[in-house]
Amino acid sequence: DVKVTQSSRYLVKRTGEKVFLECVQDMDHENMFWYRQDPGLGLRLIYFSYDVKMKEKGDIPEGYSVSREKKERFSLILESASTNQTSMYLCASRQGMVNSYNEQFFGPGTRLTVL
Amino acid sequence: KNQVEQSPQSLIILEGKNCTLQCNYTVSPFSNLRWYKQDTGRGPVSLTIMTFSENTKSNGRYTATLDADTKQSSLHITASQLSDSASYICVVTYGNNRLAFGKGNQVVVIP
Repeated sequence: DVKVTQSSRYLVKRTGEKVFLECVQDMDHENMFWYRQDPGLGLRLIYFSYDVKMKEKGDIPEGYSVSREKKERFSLILESASTNQTSMYLCASRQGMVNSYNEQFFGPGTRLTVL
Repeated sequence: KNQVEQSPQSLIILEGKNCTLQCNYTVSPFSNLRWYKQDTGRGPVSLTIMTFSENTKSNGRYTATLDADTKQSSLHITASQLSDSASYICVVTYGNNRLAFGKGNQVVVIP
């Protein structure tokens, strides 16, 4: 079974702090994604990566950056956390292109609260 | 405007009853449509996937339908159980491997 793990289930940070969210997948997938999920808004793509050291902006990249130094690990960075970044953050990974057989697998999520 | 609309936004059903969730999409060209189940505090898990040529697909008590002509899909839950309480998210793959997410149907099953 594919496993996508996230470093923390719950995180509380203060405004202005630098925050690192870590995601690791164990199936050698090329593609990795970071989403945030908010009530009434659904999942929104922040950043994605299709290879080591490669990154692409998603729909809402402002206030975030990412790092992918190793294939299995994709980090989301909040350089200076703000209260409007309080959200559920979901990491996902996928093998190759999105077709009938290449499912996107999600991690359990990190609920981040910025005070 | 959201490209994937789900209805109803939320519903409460009695244990043992059936329910149907709707997903309408506008994106194109269509590639496939997945239904995910997301338990509270967890990541989404895929239930079914349907391509253009498929009309119906079942996964246990979950049955998904797709009408690619009208761009509509439904997810039917038969004989609901308490463990079916979750958010159900419709995700459409279109174009150059882009994903469009619905906002989810929140289902609460009560005894």
